Order: sequence, then C-alpha cells, then structure tokens
Amino acid sequence: QMEESGGGVVQPGTSVRLSCAASGFSFSSYAMHWVRQAPGKGLEWVALISKDGDNEFYAESVRGRLTISRDDSKNTLFLQMNSLRSEDTAVYYCAKGMGGRDFWYFDQWGRGTLVSVSS
Amino acid sequence: QPALTQPASVSGSPGQSITISCTGSSRDVGGYSVVSWYQQHPDKAPKVIIYEVNRRPSGVSTRFSGSKSGNTASLTISGLQVGDEAYYYCCSYAGRSSVVFGGGTKLTVL
Repeated sequence: QMEESGGGVVQPGTSVRLSCAASGFSFSSYAMHWVRQAPGKGLEWVALISKDGDNEFYAESVRGRLTISRDDSKNTLFLQMNSLRSEDTAVYYCAKGMGGRDFWYFDQWGRGTLVSVSS
Repeated sequence: QPALTQPASVSGSPGQSITISCTGSSRDVGGYSVVSWYQQHPDKAPKVIIYEVNRRPSGVSTRFSGSKSGNTASLTISGLQVGDEAYYYCCSYAGRSSVVFGGGTKLTVL
C-alpha cells in the first residue's frame, strides 16, 4: 500500500514537496517512480529512483525542476517540485517498480495526490 | 502529444474479443521488448495487466493477452465482461532511461 500526500493549490513559480508513504513490502528493495495524470488526460511518467537511491532519471518535461528522493528509514518517497507551471497540474501517483530488472513496470500504485498550479 | 498512438475508443459486446493497438517507433516499441499495459477505471489508480509484452502478473485474468509486431504493440481482451469497461494505456521503454505512455483507449462494453 502506498499513500501520497502534499498536494494542493499552489501558485506558479512556487514549490511543493510530495510524499508517498509505503507499507506492506520491503520498500528499500524496489525502484520507485512518480507518474502523473493531468485532469482528463493520459498518464505521463515523471521520474525514477533506483532501489539504492544512487540513480535518478527524469522525463525531459520536468528535468531540472523536479527532484525525486527516498528515505528508506521511513519507507517514504518524495518529489520536490520547484518553479511550478500550469502544465504541472495533475494527479501525482507514486508507483512501485517490479523487482529485479523489471523495474520499468509499475505493479503497485498509490491513490494519487492532486497538485493544482493556479494564480 | 503522447509518444505512443492508441485509438481513442473501442467497443464490443459481452463475450466478444477486442484488440487495442499501440503504435510507436523504432526508438520505443520497436526497439525494446519492454512494453506494458495498464487498466484504469474512473477515479481509480491504474493497474498493470500485461508486462514484458505478453506476461500477465499473478491474479490477472487469462482473458488479457499482449503481443508486439514491429513498432506496434497490441492488447487483446477476449470474452469481454462489463467490468472490463475502463481506460487502457500502453507503456514502452524509450531509451535514455525513460518510458512513454500512449494516450489511452476508452473501452466501452455495450
């Protein structure tokens, strides 16, 4: 189970930090992702962090503004979102990668948290 | 504009079979066997139903099957049920440590 938090209405240009609390599995053993979905739109992969936290990868649309991180001692995944734009408005899901080399498949999802960027 | 092209909608009657296509390029679908499919019911989180082109996670019905030919992946649902009505998204590795999704297909079971 995973539960996201931290979303809300924020102004353009500001920052917000999303959290995803995980339970029911060995969090430190899996790569983790953020995937977003704009209102009424499709899914968009945002970022990946390796299970050891040493490697991060980002979609081009967010690189340099969003930062993924994890705290394995708290079984928590984070997404620091800076310089927010209206096009960042979306439901943000944390998703667990499958084990081993199958980390590009998302086998567990949270319920999502909505970030609305508006003045 | 989504990197992978899916039909906006498909429909079928209970008991029938349908196929949803997902067309990309040699930079994604055609270049890697890292294709997955997700089912999303309204206001729910997505659920993986196919991974690695044609593998089903434990607990997913055998009515769901996947395939790939060239730059196009396909999801087939046989024996349609009312509960299959949902949005379906394909996803492919796209190189440079990234994945891309299709725009999604709304399945209506008439």
